[in-house]
Order: sequence, then C-alpha cells, then structure tokens
Amino acid sequence: QSVLTQPPSVSGAPGQRVTISCTGSSSNIGAGYDVHWYQQLPGTAPKLLIYGNSNRPSGVPDRFSGSKSGTSASLAITGLQAEDEADYYCQSYDSSLSGTKVFGGGTKLTVL
Amino acid sequence: QVQLQESGPGLVKPSQTLSLTCTVSGGSISSGGYYWSWIRQHPGKGLEWIGYIYYSGSTYYNPSLKSRVTISVDTSKNQFSLKLSSVTAADTAVYYCARDEGGGSFVHYWGQGTLVTVSS
Repeated sequence: QSVLTQPPSVSGAPGQRVTISCTGSSSNIGAGYDVHWYQQLPGTAPKLLIYGNSNRPSGVPDRFSGSKSGTSASLAITGLQAEDEADYYCQSYDSSLSGTKVFGGGTKLTVL
Repeated sequence: QVQLQESGPGLVKPSQTLSLTCTVSGGSISSGGYYWSWIRQHPGKGLEWIGYIYYSGSTYYNPSLKSRVTISVDTSKNQFSLKLSSVTAADTAVYYCARDEGGGSFVHYWGQGTLVTVSS
C-alpha cells in the first residue's frame, strides 16, 4: 500500500478535462513537501511532467497543470488527447521513518 | 541532455546479490549539484525509490531496503552502481537509474530501465 493514494483509474473522452488526485498525510504533502508528477507511457520509463507542485519542464504542454492544497495534490489534463493515455504517478517526500522519497500507486488514464 | 543507461544481469538466483551499473553521458557526475538514484518498479505495479548517492559518496537509502542495499559511484567512469543482497522473487522488477534533484525533490532524467528476474 502506497504512502500517497491515487485512484487506480480515470477516463475521459478526447477534448475533455480530467483530474487525478494524490492524497497524503501530515508527514508528507501536509508537512509542506512539494509534489511532483510523472507520466509513464506503455513500455517506457517515467517522464517528469510537473515539478514543485505546479511547474512544467520545458516541452510539456500547458494542457497539463498541477496544484496542491493541504494534504492533497491534483494533476489536471485539459483538451484530452489519445496520446495522453498512460500511467500517472505523484511523488513527494515523507519525513517519517528516517525520511524517504515516496510515490503514489499510480493512475491509469484511459482516453475513450 | 543527460542520458543514463542501466546494465547488468537480467537473471539472478535467489539469495544472491543483484548488481547493476548505470552509465551517465551528457553530463558529469563529479560536477555536483545532483544526486544519482535507483528506483524500481515491480511488474504491473508502482514505483519504489531504492536510494541515491552524491558524487562525494554520500548515500541515502530507503529504510525498507537499507539493510540490503549498497550504492557506489565511480566518477572516473561516470558510473554509479547498485548492489542488492539476499534477493528473493519479491525483488523481481524493472530497475531504473536516474538523475535526482535530491531530498524530496524530483527525478528529472531516467534510464530506460532493465528487468531483473530473481529465479533459480
């Protein structure tokens, strides 16, 4: 069971907006640690999508956005495209048990 | 652009030590400023951070794996390595090496990953 909780799956039609939640606790997201998001296309390595809660690396379309509030964070994808179909993971830091980088369990996005 | 490439045996016997090496190109490990991570993904599952190393040799490990993990660096070869001892079938996973911003920060560049199967 992951320290950060994500829904196993979400879906949306092309052009729609979807959001993926990432719920933590007072020892990670709620403690003020940043949340980062990764996209993993089938059979490939994860790719950094959002860093520092809401920042996009160069080359990531502005259809992708991130936010954080309290003990949770969200990834929003607008104008859904077929190529967005992938697994998405959130990541933060947990200060309990000597501290460690922690990931969510991942969310499978299906474009209908 | 930094590129990372994992190498090592794809099959390891139970109770033995898993050994992988990551070769970095497009950037020097010894220039500092970044940490060099190992992350694994069990088949069909999520991501698990194993640990990272700084060019100076300072290491930080996931507490759940700390007793079995050793990460080392060879700056002369621009490589860093992972050793995981006493492996079981539960260690079967795709192992990624990556460039890490450190602490709770993000992982920017990832290797393509290598599948390691633990089986007799």
